[in-house]
Amino acid sequence: AQTVTQSQPEMSVQEAETVTLSCTYDTSESDYYLFWYKQPPSRQMILVIRQEAYKQQNATENRFSVNFQKAAKSFSLKISDSQLGDAAMYFCAYRNNYGQNFVFGPGTRLSVLP
Amino acid sequence: NAGVTQTPKFQVLKTGQSMTLQCAQDMNHEYMSWYRQDPGMGLRLIHYSVGAGITDQGEVPNGYNVSRSTTEDFPLRLLSAAPSQTSVYFCASSPGQVLGYTFGSGTRLTVV
Repeated sequence: AQTVTQSQPEMSVQEAETVTLSCTYDTSESDYYLFWYKQPPSRQMILVIRQEAYKQQNATENRFSVNFQKAAKSFSLKISDSQLGDAAMYFCAYRNNYGQNFVFGPGTRLSVLP
Repeated sequence: NAGVTQTPKFQVLKTGQSMTLQCAQDMNHEYMSWYRQDPGMGLRLIHYSVGAGITDQGEVPNGYNVSRSTTEDFPLRLLSAAPSQTSVYFCASSPGQVLGYTFGSGTRLTVV
């Protein structure tokens, strides 16, 4: 079974600085999809970024980018120019190519300091 | 466009009571799922559906039932509530296997 690990329960970053959240996963599949979700205090789950495993190019969405290392099974999220509104729980998730289940990591709580 | 709508947002039950959490989506998505979120454990899959009339169990199905009579609706039934079912419940939908989920706003359930 696939597993997703987020080794940083909590992180903090100064406003306008850059922070990287770590995620590793375990799978025997070659085709799969990886996601980062943001959960602010409102509880709403918001898709931040998505990466297809067959694409070598790292996905980017505005201030959010990933470092996808397929051989190392690593999928870190970099947030540049951090803003107060980035404070939230961040979940890394895995989805294989045929199943419809997401496997979520335990989450990293990010605080942004003014 | 409402997306995924969950009701109620909050609920308190007594042990042994039953109830149904409602979930509806208006995006014509094939895939729908129910997750529960517990501190330190991320989200865990309870039940899922790949289309009307088709449901299957996820990682933690015990104590829950689902049905999918229409594409739009995917209710989750708690048969006999237990304190261990105290959690935040999320319904989610997706148009296909490889796309991200759209989540509802969640239901905070407390069983006393």
